[in-house]
Amino acid sequence: DSGVTQTPKHLITATGQRVTLRCSPRSGDLSVYWYQQSLDQGLQFLIQYYNGEERAKGNILERFSAQQFPDLHSELNLSSLELGDSALYFCASSGGLTGELFFGEGSRLTVL
Amino acid sequence: GENVEQHPSTLSVQEGDSAVIKCTYSDSASNYFPWYKQELGKRPQLIIDIRSNVGEKKDQRIAVTLNKTAKHFSLHITETQPEDSAVYFCAASGTGRRALTFGSGTRLQVQP
Repeated sequence: DSGVTQTPKHLITATGQRVTLRCSPRSGDLSVYWYQQSLDQGLQFLIQYYNGEERAKGNILERFSAQQFPDLHSELNLSSLELGDSALYFCASSGGLTGELFFGEGSRLTVL
Repeated sequence: GENVEQHPSTLSVQEGDSAVIKCTYSDSASNYFPWYKQELGKRPQLIIDIRSNVGEKKDQRIAVTLNKTAKHFSLHITETQPEDSAVYFCAASGTGRRALTFGSGTRLQVQP
């Protein structure tokens, strides 16, 4: 158990819909990262938050947005969903300066 | 930004043989190089990491080497076992809370 909690574990929805993925980082970790992993693909960095503020942006589509709340949990919002958005979405957290990321179990999104 | 290339994409070895996975990175400011193992349907988990002030690090059957001049690093697994079968990702990042950039992954299959 990494200490990072993601919900929901599985989500099936239709094209054009909007979903929200939720992440609770490890206790004490201030940084939260979102990664997308499509079938048999690598881990694509989407966005990073540190203590409530956006720290870095990767290949995140304009249809996607995220935020980190005062209690440090984070949400990733995916809108106007397309078939190609089907993927495993990982949240990870880190603390201090070690650089190690602790991943949650992921949220598997299927868009039909 | 950082770009990490990883080879090979697939690797099949006999049980007991050694496996080597290689990565190159582009950003000379990167100084943290972890390796993650991802079993099917599971979250990535850190197996070993190395920082730029170290050339080699070992942990039982796994070792990582780093050549900062050439900007490449490698994962070595000796005496491979069937449970080593998984996808392995290399990654690189800079100081502190910068996001990890992952390689495309290597699917290792250890044949009994």
